[in-house]
Amino acid sequence: KAGVTQTPRYLIKTRGQQVTLSCSPISGHRSVSWYQQTPGQGLQFLFEYFSETQRNKGNFPGRFSGRQFSNSRSEMNVSTLELGDSALYLCASSLAATRVRGVGTDTQYFGPGTRLTVL
Amino acid sequence: AQSVTQLGSHVSVSEGALVLLRCNYSSSVPPYLFWYVQYPNQGLQLLLKYTSAATLVKGINGFEAEFKKSETSFHLTKPSAHMSDAAEYFCAVSRSGGYNKLIFGAGTRLAVHP
Repeated sequence: KAGVTQTPRYLIKTRGQQVTLSCSPISGHRSVSWYQQTPGQGLQFLFEYFSETQRNKGNFPGRFSGRQFSNSRSEMNVSTLELGDSALYLCASSLAATRVRGVGTDTQYFGPGTRLTVL
Repeated sequence: AQSVTQLGSHVSVSEGALVLLRCNYSSSVPPYLFWYVQYPNQGLQLLLKYTSAATLVKGINGFEAEFKKSETSFHLTKPSAHMSDAAEYFCAVSRSGGYNKLIFGAGTRLAVHP
C-alpha cells in the first residue's frame, strides 16, 4: 500500500506570495492532519480535516488555511508569506472512522514533508 | 492543557549501549502517548504508542517504553544501540476526543558512536 505523498517536496517563494501544498493520504484513510516543523518552535499542529470538514485547528493565523476533497486528498494554503513561514510542512493521515471514544488513539502516518523556504 | 517535555536535546551513546530517552507529560485527562522517529530529510515514523492497555509497550526496531502514571513519564529504551538508530526522536501526547491533534515534545537527537 502506498504511503502518504506530499507535493512538491521543495518550494522557494518570496515574501508576500502565497503557496499551496498538497497531500494524498493512504488509500482508505479519511483524516488528514497538517503540522509545521521549525527549528525554533518544533512540531506544531495546524489543522485536521475529516470528511471534507475541518474538525480541529491549532493556533495559527488565518493566513494558514486548508481544505479536503471528496477523495480525502488535502491541500493547505499559506497567503502573504512571511520569512517565519519557512519550515517543513508535514501531512499525516489516519483512518479516523467516526467520533467515538478512543479516536485520539488513531495512528497517524506521516508523509515526507514539503520544505518551504521564504526569501 | 496537555504538554510534553523531553529531557535532553542531544543524547550520545556507544554502539551496543543502552538507549534511554526521557519523556514526561502533563495532561488533565488520561493521555495517549506516542514515540516517533525522524531520519534526516524524512517524515515521522511511529515507533510505538500507549493507549491505556499494557503499561509496557513494545515497538519496532527493538524499542520499548513504559507508562508510569505516578511519575507522568513515558521513557523510551532500547537495550543495545545500533548505528542505524541515529535520528531524532519525538514524544507526543493526544487524548480521547482530541481527534488527531498530537502535541509534540521538542525532540531528542540521538547520536550513536562506534
